[in-house]
Amino acid sequence: DQQVKQNSPSLSVQEGRISILNCDYTNSMFDYFLWYKKYPAEGPTFLISISSIKDKNEDGRFTVFLNKSAKHLSLHIVPSQPGDSAVYFCAASAGYGGSQGNLIFGKGTKLSVKP
Amino acid sequence: EPEVTQTPSHQVTQMGQEVILRCVPISNHLYFYWYRQILGQKVEFLVSFYNNEISEKSEIFDDQFSVERPDGSNFTLKIRSTKLEDSAMYFCASKQGSANTEAFFGQGTRLTVV
Repeated sequence: DQQVKQNSPSLSVQEGRISILNCDYTNSMFDYFLWYKKYPAEGPTFLISISSIKDKNEDGRFTVFLNKSAKHLSLHIVPSQPGDSAVYFCAASAGYGGSQGNLIFGKGTKLSVKP
Repeated sequence: EPEVTQTPSHQVTQMGQEVILRCVPISNHLYFYWYRQILGQKVEFLVSFYNNEISEKSEIFDDQFSVERPDGSNFTLKIRSTKLEDSAMYFCASKQGSANTEAFFGQGTRLTVV
């Protein structure tokens, strides 16, 4: 039972263009969403997050959008750079209700940014 | 910048042997986690630890697994009798607070069971 789904295993984008990575979730108790970036042989690195009380959070080239009614979030990277090439994981947590903020991850989307 | 450190980076063990994976979380963090990623699959939650006890564990975290915080700095994951299917990258993570804060991950330990 996948509570967090990233349906695109891979995405290829030209340098300078926008990258849009999508994520869907099923658990309505999730109230905090995060994006992590992962290079091979390294641990996930936190990128950006959004609380369920917001619908948008922006940090430099990275913007996360949350649509609670659709249980969908997306990560926009603009402009994309070759150094952004990595696997991006969407994660969610239910901060209250006893879960202690455990992160539930999607399967990841491998982004390739071509020069 | 503070970071989560894990040792060893790679551990090879024979099936049936016990292994201990070690982690030093960020010093002022209170919540500790172990995750694993089997090759080609997603990062999976194993266990969370707070106030010197397990707060939640997944179905994967069966009786073969245990965690411990033996002193003020280390956080260990023990697998009592390893199986081939335990081969994976194991990631330790820590958080400062429980809700609405990001977890910081270590570089991982690659466990290979032969």
